[in-house]
Amino acid sequence: SQQGEEDPQALSIQEGENATMNCSYKTSINNLQWYRQNSGRGLVHLILIRSNEREKHSGRLRVTLDTSKKSSSLLITASRAADTASYFCATDMNSGYSTLTFGKGTMLLVSP
Amino acid sequence: DAGITQSPRHKVTETGTPVTLRCHQTENHRYMYWYRQDPGHGLRLIHYSYGVKDTDKGEVSDGYSVSRSKTEDFLLTLESATSSQTSVYFCAIRGNSGNTIYFGEGSWLTVV
Repeated sequence: SQQGEEDPQALSIQEGENATMNCSYKTSINNLQWYRQNSGRGLVHLILIRSNEREKHSGRLRVTLDTSKKSSSLLITASRAADTASYFCATDMNSGYSTLTFGKGTMLLVSP
Repeated sequence: DAGITQSPRHKVTETGTPVTLRCHQTENHRYMYWYRQDPGHGLRLIHYSYGVKDTDKGEVSDGYSVSRSKTEDFLLTLESATSSQTSVYFCAIRGNSGNTIYFGEGSWLTVV
């Protein structure tokens, strides 16, 4: 079963624009992690946000978490063609073992 | 890349044959995981380990077994491969500080 669901499933923008992806989940979490996956490659960890945090930044990435709405968003500012990839959110439901439950991902296409 | 090596990276095998995928890590991580990634499903947890000889089932464990006889290696075995096990298999580890999960580059398995 999918704990996290990303929205939209696909997003197409121009270089320089901002990209926003959303993730909703169903049960309480310990933390939420965002990943990027280029076609045919492994997952690259972007940001971990804990349940008691509301916002985190890393370079051009901004992640927010609203535990009352059980949702998170990933904002990529000033997108580049190299940002073209699939983006996944994954929730750690505080099992103690850090097992993650993934959404199906958002495919982002950034055109030059 | 958190020192994770998966082998083999690509394999084609016949239905009914046994297959073992190996995950090797060099940084003494306690927690290791096996996920599979299929179109339309995102990543799903197969098995995980929280120490030598300590393993547990994930969401999609049927048809898979694992072993961890030493800290650095986590083996995933398909006792009798089926076409439904054609997938990309990712090994992951939990970082030694915090709950960040890092993934290997993946093993592409085709069962014909």
